[in-house]
Amino acid sequence: GAGVSQSPSNKVTEKGKDVELRCDPISGHTALYWYRQSLGQGLEFLIYFQGNSAPDKSGLPSDRFSAERTGGSVSTLTIQRTQQEDSAVYLCASSLGTGFSGNTIYFGEGSWLTVV
Amino acid sequence: EDQVTQSPEALRLQEGESSSLNCSYTVSGLRGLFWYRQDPGKGPEFLFTLYSAGEEKEKERLKATLTKKESFLHITAPKPEDSATYLCAVQEVGWGGSQGNLIFGKGTKLSVKP
Repeated sequence: GAGVSQSPSNKVTEKGKDVELRCDPISGHTALYWYRQSLGQGLEFLIYFQGNSAPDKSGLPSDRFSAERTGGSVSTLTIQRTQQEDSAVYLCASSLGTGFSGNTIYFGEGSWLTVV
Repeated sequence: EDQVTQSPEALRLQEGESSSLNCSYTVSGLRGLFWYRQDPGKGPEFLFTLYSAGEEKEKERLKATLTKKESFLHITAPKPEDSATYLCAVQEVGWGGSQGNLIFGKGTKLSVKP
């Protein structure tokens, strides 16, 4: 597709279960970002991948959160032992990642996670 | 201390009533300032990137400007379809000049009544 694709679009899970959220960036984009948006809150940075460099994990809120990016393309965000406070929209974004001309960052529609 | 502050939090306008949204920021080195529009239940939609003080960009009824401390999003003669939350974000110059993450403000919710 032409844009950033995320799945699932909606996920309801029980407290304590693990969840995986998937992001397929725009073809050719080397930079990939994960953000979290809680109800009424701003976007919170989680993790950033750039090419083959080590990811910037500085925004991950706890060790229950992890992400990987295979083959420099698709990324999976995993939340283990989910808690109710993890309920939020998880947004993925991508950019060309090289120089100012490739700086535009495009977002997907998000994965809405509800922990009950 | 917030690095990106948007004001007002909410703005109600009548159709045709022009106004401005503010985004003030404090970062050590600005790589870019981004404006996005977000509709309910949707991901942010890219509008503009500004890189240096004095730069301006326009798109339909929207015009974004940038100074060393803040950016304005001017809305001229708004229509009801301009109703959305407008998000501002800054990107700092990273280590080694690499591209880093976006730091977002909390947004301004704009409502335009017919």
